[in-house]
Amino acid sequence: EPEVTQTPSHQVTQMGQEVILRCVPISNHLYFYWYRQILGQKVEFLVSFYNNEISEKSEIFDDQFSVERPDGSNFTLKIRSTKLEDSAMYFCASRPVGTDLWGYTFGSGTRLTVV
Amino acid sequence: GQNIDQPTEMTATEGAIVQINCTYQTSGFNGLFWYQQHAGEAPTFLSYNVLDGLEEKGRFSSFLSRSKGYSYLLLKELQMKDSASYLCAVRDWNNNNDMRFGAGTRLTVKP
Repeated sequence: EPEVTQTPSHQVTQMGQEVILRCVPISNHLYFYWYRQILGQKVEFLVSFYNNEISEKSEIFDDQFSVERPDGSNFTLKIRSTKLEDSAMYFCASRPVGTDLWGYTFGSGTRLTVV
Repeated sequence: GQNIDQPTEMTATEGAIVQINCTYQTSGFNGLFWYQQHAGEAPTFLSYNVLDGLEEKGRFSSFLSRSKGYSYLLLKELQMKDSASYLCAVRDWNNNNDMRFGAGTRLTVKP
């Protein structure tokens, strides 16, 4: 069964440092998403990406965040200057065009710890 | 914006049936999803409703009433492995059809 792959599974970084979280969506999917989940809290939408541009972003997705699809397979989330409150599980998800029946496929997540 | 409400926690007994409710308020409703999430893992897709009525898939069923802004997930013949969080999520065409999650219901199945 096709999977969404995320790397690394766990990243520890110092406050103020830049991090890049990587995702390889399912190959025939065209919509890509980043969500985050602070420990014990809800899954929060960050950003959606389609046709090589951001289609929607939440109020959480401020200027310190950016997304990129640097090549045909990778989809990255960059956090420019990490803060303690950025510590969370970050999930990448993807879905194909025009198919709602199966929802989004989520990757297994990257646990980001900012110290 | 969207409001999605679900109970925080529920407890049920192995072999029993449990119903997890979700109410939502959204101006551009375009589908409701249920996901299962085990602690420390990614959400996994369970069901999708866009029209009123019941969708059955094995031990799991999901119901939707659009006029009431209400859905439930029904789990039958509960097993210990069903202990997890169950997330209700809504798509809204006002949000580019992106999906937003409720806070989730943590279900504990006891022997």
